[in-house]
Amino acid sequence: QKEVEQDPGPLSVPEGAIVSLNCTYSNSAFQYFMWYRQYSRKGPELLMYTYSSGNKEDGRFTAQVDKSSKYISLFIRDSQPSDSATYLCAMRVAAGNKLTFGGGTRVLVKP
Amino acid sequence: GAVVSQHPSRVICKSGTSVKIECRSLDFQATTMFWYRQFPKQSLMLMATSNEGSKATYEQGVEKDKFLINHASLTLSTLTVTSAHPEDSSFYICSANPDPGSYEQYFGPGTRLTVT
Repeated sequence: QKEVEQDPGPLSVPEGAIVSLNCTYSNSAFQYFMWYRQYSRKGPELLMYTYSSGNKEDGRFTAQVDKSSKYISLFIRDSQPSDSATYLCAMRVAAGNKLTFGGGTRVLVKP
Repeated sequence: GAVVSQHPSRVICKSGTSVKIECRSLDFQATTMFWYRQFPKQSLMLMATSNEGSKATYEQGVEKDKFLINHASLTLSTLTVTSAHPEDSSFYICSANPDPGSYEQYFGPGTRLTVT
């Protein structure tokens, strides 16, 4: 079993819809949770970062962490075709700087 | 935001030859850089952690003699794939950590290696 599980998709939504992404994990020591966006043949770009449990909002993006369930989510409101990409969750323990990535979910936003 | 560059962006080499990939932090110093490998439609797999002035720390299953990492300065790390074979064909991505205590990792654009 992988440490971080993420549905590979593809997740296809119409423009303007809410995109809902999530990851589950098994290591209760993870404290830092991140979401990255990766366009085809490009490096990942950090979208959101959350420490421990709670919610965080930044523009159209909302990240949620539920440590009791070992479950994190990313919501994208008013989705645009430019949001079409692969979204990767990543997490790390408090000490150290090594990230553990989920497999990524491919998202397609259709005009 | 902080910028990380990689060179080359794409390289094709013959089996048995060696290829060097550079990773540079353009506007910050990075005591730690990471090298990842990504297969098509798969996630990033950490290969090694590169610390400036010291030996790299390799993940389990990664051959250190095949994937040579050098982090000679605070802005440059190199990955050399030695005696490349077709199974080494992949997308190699580096990232740089500006602050060892920070969560932030800034990723390069990646290098597509094809071994024929």
